[in-house]
Amino acid sequence: DGGITQSPKYLFRKEGQNVTLSCEQNLNHDAMYWYRQDPGQGLRLIYYSQIVNDFQKGDIAEGYSVSREKKESFPLTVTSAQKNPTAFYLCASSITGGVGYTFGSGTRLTVV
Amino acid sequence: GENVEQHPSTLSVQEGDSAVIKCTYSDSASNYFPWYKQELGKRPQLIIDIRSNVGEKKDQRIAVTLNKTAKHFSLHITETQPEDSAVYFCAASKRGGDMRFGAGTRLTVKP
Repeated sequence: DGGITQSPKYLFRKEGQNVTLSCEQNLNHDAMYWYRQDPGQGLRLIYYSQIVNDFQKGDIAEGYSVSREKKESFPLTVTSAQKNPTAFYLCASSITGGVGYTFGSGTRLTVV
Repeated sequence: GENVEQHPSTLSVQEGDSAVIKCTYSDSASNYFPWYKQELGKRPQLIIDIRSNVGEKKDQRIAVTLNKTAKHFSLHITETQPEDSAVYFCAASKRGGDMRFGAGTRLTVKP
């Protein structure tokens, strides 16, 4: 998947359950990002990280959490506080903040 | 923070015609402007990008123009083909910052 791998491809969550989406890259990129895409809409930034052990909230961080313990990994947890989590989630990475993004293939999360 | 607006939201053209999608941005410090093509259920793919020190860039049937003064940039696709049908996103970013995307344009090329 072009050096950045998201898993799983499809994920089903029950009401009140936390789930974690995986994002791993072997591109030696410093920066990593999580976006949410709703049907027919653009990409909205959830969280991003420019360096290990540091991350910042994006425009729609409420109900989500992240960690960046390793350069290669940037998992996203969708908590039970996120009331409308059904969406397509895209992870991306770049060599320096904001330039030369590479996207993962996405995770489609559905609440059942 | 940066705000990117994109128009139109949908665009339908006949095969062989040209298509133009326009975006504006708000942060004058933004200096990198990529365009992505996204097919249904797939990841966005970079198709062309432009940096703020360049006014125009062309790659075969695709071109991008940038007007820094007016803070807008446009994607031009000539001789459109049915396989150009997809959602196109513009984006803007600056060094050390994150990338913000437009809402997308759904392009349909009718045979």
